[in-house]
Amino acid sequence: DAMVIQNPRYQVTQFGKPVTLSCSQTLNHNVMYWYQQKSSQAPKLLFHYYDKDFNNEADTPDNFQSRRPNTSFCFLDIRSPGLGDAAMYLCATSRDSYNEQFFGPGTRLTVL
Amino acid sequence: GNSVTQMEGPVTLSEEAFLTINCTYTATGYPSLFWYVQYPGEGLQLLLKATKADDKGSNKGFEATYRKETTSFHLEKGSVQVSDSAVYFCALSPLGDYKLSFGAGTTVTVRA
Repeated sequence: DAMVIQNPRYQVTQFGKPVTLSCSQTLNHNVMYWYQQKSSQAPKLLFHYYDKDFNNEADTPDNFQSRRPNTSFCFLDIRSPGLGDAAMYLCATSRDSYNEQFFGPGTRLTVL
Repeated sequence: GNSVTQMEGPVTLSEEAFLTINCTYTATGYPSLFWYVQYPGEGLQLLLKATKADDKGSNKGFEATYRKETTSFHLEKGSVQVSDSAVYFCALSPLGDYKLSFGAGTTVTVRA
């Protein structure tokens, strides 16, 4: 089955220690998105890639970066995680910018 | 701007009860409308969608009709099961735009 895969499902890091979350897709979609979702809230878009073009949301902190080395993979790097960055991080893809988005299972990040 | 207002929860129902979750939106033009479902500890799954006025989306016994005159996209299911316990998000995507605007989410608990 075509799908969006996120690894790991659970990640624990220490305050200030860089962490990388991974997303891969077998859908061959052009667009990949990263969302942050805190408890009992709607997901908040951090940034997205349309192919290799990176688009950052205006209110995404500089602490969050992303890489998309090829069509299938996209990474979220948190350079210096703070306690407030503990959340579920969701990756999503869409065929094009106006198609529905398909979400992965998420990575739950804990910051100690 | 674009926004989605969703019925606040939590909603608690008995099995086989009728479920309605109200959703209204504000948008320019003709957005696409979606319902996503999030089971505990999981990512979002697309439940159904509608892309133009009077379209009815349906899936797994859930239905929602795109009502432009009332700017609404209410979710309904005639007979819920315990397995329908989840958080439901209404969302819109403006025509030709990538960005999903989510409602706050409605937590539904179905008791046997």
